[in-house]
Amino acid sequence: RKEVEQDPGPFNVPEGATVAFNCTYSNSASQSFFWYRQDCRKEPKLLMSVYSSGNEDGRFTAQLNRASQYISLLIRDSKLSDSATYLCVGLSGNTGKLIFGQGTTLQVKP
Amino acid sequence: NAGVTQTPKFQVLKTGQSMTLQCAQDMNHNSMYWYRQDPGMGLRLIYYSASEGTTDKGEVPNGYNVSRLNKREFSLRLESAAPSQTSVYFCASSQRGSRSYEQYFGPGTRLTVT
Repeated sequence: RKEVEQDPGPFNVPEGATVAFNCTYSNSASQSFFWYRQDCRKEPKLLMSVYSSGNEDGRFTAQLNRASQYISLLIRDSKLSDSATYLCVGLSGNTGKLIFGQGTTLQVKP
Repeated sequence: NAGVTQTPKFQVLKTGQSMTLQCAQDMNHNSMYWYRQDPGMGLRLIYYSASEGTTDKGEVPNGYNVSRLNKREFSLRLESAAPSQTSVYFCASSQRGSRSYEQYFGPGTRLTVT
C-alpha cells in the first residue's frame, strides 16, 4: 500500500461548484500534512497546511481525520483558475521527509 | 530573489551518456532535495541533503549520484543514462525546523533518454 493515496481523477466540475478531494495515509506519513497545487508542466507549490482542528483559507478548507487516516480538501465556488493537480503530502515523523500522493486532477469548466 | 533555479530545462540523452543536473537556491535554506515525477507515480525522492556537507538516499537513488557543492548548490548526476530515467526532475529546498516545512521547488528539468 502506498504511504499516501489519492484518487487521480480527473474531477470535471462546472464553475461555481463545490468539489472535495480525499486522501488516505499510512502510519509512516503521519506527522503533518499539506496540500500542494501543481499546474500543468509547472512545479508544485504549497497551497495550505492541514491542522488537526481543520483550517480554512478563503474558498479552501482542509480537514484531517486521524482516526480514519484521511485528509480532505474542499473547494467552494470553483473558478476556472482552480484547474490544476492537487497533491496530498504527508510528513514522515521518522525521517522528516515529505511523502507525496500521486495527485488529483481538477478541471473546472465554464 | 530567484528562489530555486534548475538547468537545463530540457535534455535529450542517448542510453549510456552521462550528465549533471544543476540546482541552486538563494533563500539560505539548509535542506535540498531531488525528486523525479513520472505519470501516475507522484513525486519520488531520489536524494536529499539535510545540510551542507551531508547527503542521504531517498526512495529511488539507484543510477544517480549527488553533490552538495555548498549551501546554495545541489547537483544530480546520471553516470550512465537509461530509458527508465526518462522523467521530470525537480529540485527543492526547505528550512528544516521552519513553521511549515514548506518546500520550494525549481521549475524542473524534462529529461528524455532514448
